[in-house]
Amino acid sequence: NAGVTQTPKFQVLKTGQSMTLQCAQDMNHNSMYWYRQDPGMGLRLIYYSASEGTTDKGEVPNGYNVSRLNKREFSLRLESAAPSQTSVYFCASSGYRAQGEKLFFGSGTQLSVL
Amino acid sequence: DQQVKQNSPSLSVQEGRISILNCDYTNSMFDYFLWYKKYPAEGPTFLISISSIKDKNEDGRFTVFLNKSAKHLSLHIVPSQPGDSAVYFCAARGGADGLTFGKGTHLIIQP
Repeated sequence: NAGVTQTPKFQVLKTGQSMTLQCAQDMNHNSMYWYRQDPGMGLRLIYYSASEGTTDKGEVPNGYNVSRLNKREFSLRLESAAPSQTSVYFCASSGYRAQGEKLFFGSGTQLSVL
Repeated sequence: DQQVKQNSPSLSVQEGRISILNCDYTNSMFDYFLWYKKYPAEGPTFLISISSIKDKNEDGRFTVFLNKSAKHLSLHIVPSQPGDSAVYFCAARGGADGLTFGKGTHLIIQP
């Protein structure tokens, strides 16, 4: 009954440090997404992967890289963290478009960059 | 340019009354609309959706209305309960993959 699992739940970085946010889903979904949520800004798409082996930029991709490791896992990497990347990050997954594009979200990673 | 707009950052409603959350969109290519509910420190959870070929969808206390000519949708919650206090996001699906979200409305149910 896990759904979408994200790690870590909290992280504090110093400017310039790097880190990888991990995400895994157990629903056999093809598509996976990374969103960030900032106060007053809603959820904005960073990167997505429509299927294993493909990744595409979303609305706010600068400063991030992603890897679709296999069908289950989709990681988000910050190579050189900046204070502007302080945010809550959500991973999500979905099945086929015919199913209505309902996204299932993880519980989020609270990231602070000092 | 914001394609999905939720113009009310917050809304306070008395318990038992109707809550109406509004959402406007600008992209005519959107063909599917969803509402998500989010509690603090949790991920958003799917609430209800509507296809662009319909104008109403009901699920228990929740009803979503779609007015395509006005590019407007609304979520009605009747009756409102304390557990409905949360942030509600309107989202739309268009040509590209993924969903476009509004900024959210914080619904507060007053006892």
